[in-house]
Amino acid sequence: QDQLVESGGGVVQPGRSLRLSCVASGFIFSSYDMYWVRQLPGKGLEFVAHISFDGRKKYFADSVKGRFSISRDTSKRTVFLQMKSLRPEDTAMYFCARDAVGPDVSWGQGTLVTVSS
Amino acid sequence: DIVMTQSPLSLPVTPGEPASISCRSSQSLVDADDGKTHLDWYLQKPGQSPQLLMFTLSSRASGVPDRFSGSGSGTDFTLKISRVEAEDVGIYYCMQHIEFPYTFGQGTKLE
Repeated sequence: QDQLVESGGGVVQPGRSLRLSCVASGFIFSSYDMYWVRQLPGKGLEFVAHISFDGRKKYFADSVKGRFSISRDTSKRTVFLQMKSLRPEDTAMYFCARDAVGPDVSWGQGTLVTVSS
Repeated sequence: DIVMTQSPLSLPVTPGEPASISCRSSQSLVDADDGKTHLDWYLQKPGQSPQLLMFTLSSRASGVPDRFSGSGSGTDFTLKISRVEAEDVGIYYCMQHIEFPYTFGQGTKLE
């Protein structure tokens, strides 16, 4: 059974950095694009960043461009979201997801990031 | 960016009755290469992450009861529940994944 487990969230001061991790299991990690989505408290869903299966192509939402980066380590079956210059408006639950056009889509349970002084 | 607009935003329902949620996109979600409509539906139950309900417009995800159905074409889409059950409460989102950034509807709260 496929599974995605996020970690790395926590409370951080504005301007600081944080790195989120998402460990995948139960499927061929190297065959799938991956992406991050966030959900602000009590709000809807917002796409954050996307990385291709081979790590060569990346896409970022305008709201995080230049501050966030995405990477993956196939040997660790892990996708990372490096967040820098964090702002209070980045406070959200961050979900990792497997990208697919079909039934293979899956999401993790999320990790909470709180940006506050 | 493709704008996804859902309606209604709140949907009071009675168990056993049907329910319908509409989603409209600002441009076509039909992929010219594969002919598929890149529109998925998710249900987020309280305290949980979103779970896939329907993919590519009208295909049910694994384990999703057949009382759920998806339809539509181009830019107008509908999720229907033939007979609502108590376990169906939560927030329903449509999502397009034909181009970046992937975008979501505002969510429809079924209660």
